Amino acid sequence: DAGITQSPRYKITETGRQVTLMCHQTWSHSYMFWYRQDLGHGLRLIYYSAAADITDKGEVPDGYVVSRSKTENFPLTLESATRSQTSVYFCASSEIQGPQYFGPGTRLLVL
Amino acid sequence: GENVEQHPSTLSVQEGDSAVIKCTYSDSASNYFPWYKQELGKRPQLIIDIRSNVGEKKDQRIAVTLNKTAKHFSLHITETQPEDSAVYFCAANSNTGNQFYFGTGTSLTVIP
Repeated sequence: DAGITQSPRYKITETGRQVTLMCHQTWSHSYMFWYRQDLGHGLRLIYYSAAADITDKGEVPDGYVVSRSKTENFPLTLESATRSQTSVYFCASSEIQGPQYFGPGTRLLVL
Repeated sequence: GENVEQHPSTLSVQEGDSAVIKCTYSDSASNYFPWYKQELGKRPQLIIDIRSNVGEKKDQRIAVTLNKTAKHFSLHITETQPEDSAVYFCAANSNTGNQFYFGTGTSLTVIP
């Protein structure tokens, strides 16, 4: 589990601000994912990436931007945070067609 | 896309009893079904998985069964212990193999 980390672990921001959540993995996994977890909705996929410079939308991509210039990093940016983006964000990584391993999560509160 | 439904949403059992959580999926192309356990305030952790070429897999007190024809799979926990209390998520992969679709979770409480 120590192979995938997220920062910050907790973040409080205000509506309209830009926020970037970081994700770093040391396994050289091809795939990386961003989920948000809200009560009653389980885990919902925001964006994923199959390799460096290849990203694709998930179920709930609106309001988020991702990039992947290096295999090990997959930052998630909220361009203009809204209260509805208050959530717990999990990053995950996997080999091709393998299980996903999750980071410790980032708790984000948008005031 | 894939739709995964999970039942029940909450489950309480006495310590030592068995617990069963059921999931159904819609995409017949799905061929990989992991189960995750999430303790309060922690990350989801993989506890067992099954691929479509087998019908059952067991790991100590945990087992998963898969019925491809009916498109459902189940998690079985025997001899439950208080430390089994957590939220459990099932998932099914997409037809490309690399995205997962998660169920909405089952909150399991094991009563000592």
